[in-house]
Amino acid sequence: DQQVKQNSPSLSVQEGRISILNCDYTNSMFDYFLWYKKYPAEGPTFLISISSIKDKNEDGRFTVFLNKSAKHLSLHIVPSQPGDSAVYFCAATQGYQLIWGAGTKLIIKP
Amino acid sequence: GAGVSQSPSNKVTEKGKDVELRCDPISGHTALYWYRQSLGQGLEFLIYFQGNSAPDKSGLPSDRFSAERTGGSVSTLTIQRTQQEDSAVYLCASSLSPHRGDTEAFFGQGTRLTVV
Repeated sequence: DQQVKQNSPSLSVQEGRISILNCDYTNSMFDYFLWYKKYPAEGPTFLISISSIKDKNEDGRFTVFLNKSAKHLSLHIVPSQPGDSAVYFCAATQGYQLIWGAGTKLIIKP
Repeated sequence: GAGVSQSPSNKVTEKGKDVELRCDPISGHTALYWYRQSLGQGLEFLIYFQGNSAPDKSGLPSDRFSAERTGGSVSTLTIQRTQQEDSAVYLCASSLSPHRGDTEAFFGQGTRLTVV
């Protein structure tokens, strides 16, 4: 039973436009949500996080929105750049464990 | 180096053989995690070490899997009598303290294990 779901295996976006990556979760006890980015043959790298008591966190081109009533979060990247092409993982913390989604492959088209 | 280092980066082994995967965490990081990523899946928690405390082994899929962390630093994940379903990328991560949303975990590049 997946507690963190990323229902889009891939997403293609034009360079310069907004990329929106979605994530749904089932456990209302998660206390933090994180986004990690992964390039091929590399480990995931931390991108941005949000506490469950917040509804928005912004860091440069990256903004994460949390909708607790819908158990949904999204990552917005604007403007999208070619270097953003990667697999993006949504994860949630439960104590010290990270519970991961399956990832969404983002492709930025020139 | 300054990051988390894993070796080997690739390992092909015959079914039934034992394998050892190594992780060198960032110096000073007390928390160390092993995860596994199978094809098309998210990362699956395997085991967690924190300082000198007993490790949390709750994610290990079977008793063929074991891990140790010597001297609070280097960790070795051992898989005995490998099976084809063990084929995956094994990722190690470390952090200054147990990771929450405000404590970044740093990942190694992973070991791609293929059991033939």
